[in-house]
Amino acid sequence: QSALTQPASVSGSPGQSITISCSGTSSDLGSYDVVTWYQQHPGKAPKLLVYEVNKRPSGLSNRFSGSKSGNTASLTISGLQAEDEADYYCCSFSDSRTLVFGGGTKLTVL
Amino acid sequence: QVQLVQSGPEVKKPGASVKVSCKASGYTFTSYGITWVRQAPGQGLEWMGWISANNGYTKYAQKVQGRVTMTTDTSTSTAYMELRSLRSDDMAVYYCARVWPTGTFCPDYWGQGTLVTVSS
Repeated sequence: QSALTQPASVSGSPGQSITISCSGTSSDLGSYDVVTWYQQHPGKAPKLLVYEVNKRPSGLSNRFSGSKSGNTASLTISGLQAEDEADYYCCSFSDSRTLVFGGGTKLTVL
Repeated sequence: QVQLVQSGPEVKKPGASVKVSCKASGYTFTSYGITWVRQAPGQGLEWMGWISANNGYTKYAQKVQGRVTMTTDTSTSTAYMELRSLRSDDMAVYYCARVWPTGTFCPDYWGQGTLVTVSS
């Protein structure tokens, strides 16, 4: 199965907001409201940020928010901070009853 | 608190097999599934498959189908992933992660990862 499509990199200055997109198809992201976002710092395991499109785990900052329209999901990070610099991945369920991940987006905080 | 603790790094020769363990704690093991995800050096996340800890149902990615076996030991709340006929492109960090029992949701809690090096 093909990976979901994410931009390779995005950047922003501290305090700004950025949005990372995740594009899929009607066979995966477009058909299931389970898109999930992860943050991964170098050498660390992925950390859950947003699940089921727009839900945040308990205790997670409300600076992270998710949305979905059609076959595209988005993660918005507001009030950028230096520690937000990391790789970000989206994930969805698919018609083939498998999980599919995005290729990852490297966020640089300028 | 939910924890998934994986076994240590492995070094294997091409053609060999590796078995990685993932010990769960902090939740009822049989109420969830375990998925395995790998990450080659400098690359993204690749889903390998999942196993229901309740009934042992498995679903594998096409890319590793035939070479991978996922199992669980409910008496010790431990999941295992065995990959056979290792190739150089199997060199990666292997993660276990918890999923809902239906396998239709992306994982929430992740293990710390196990580096598998494949080298002659």
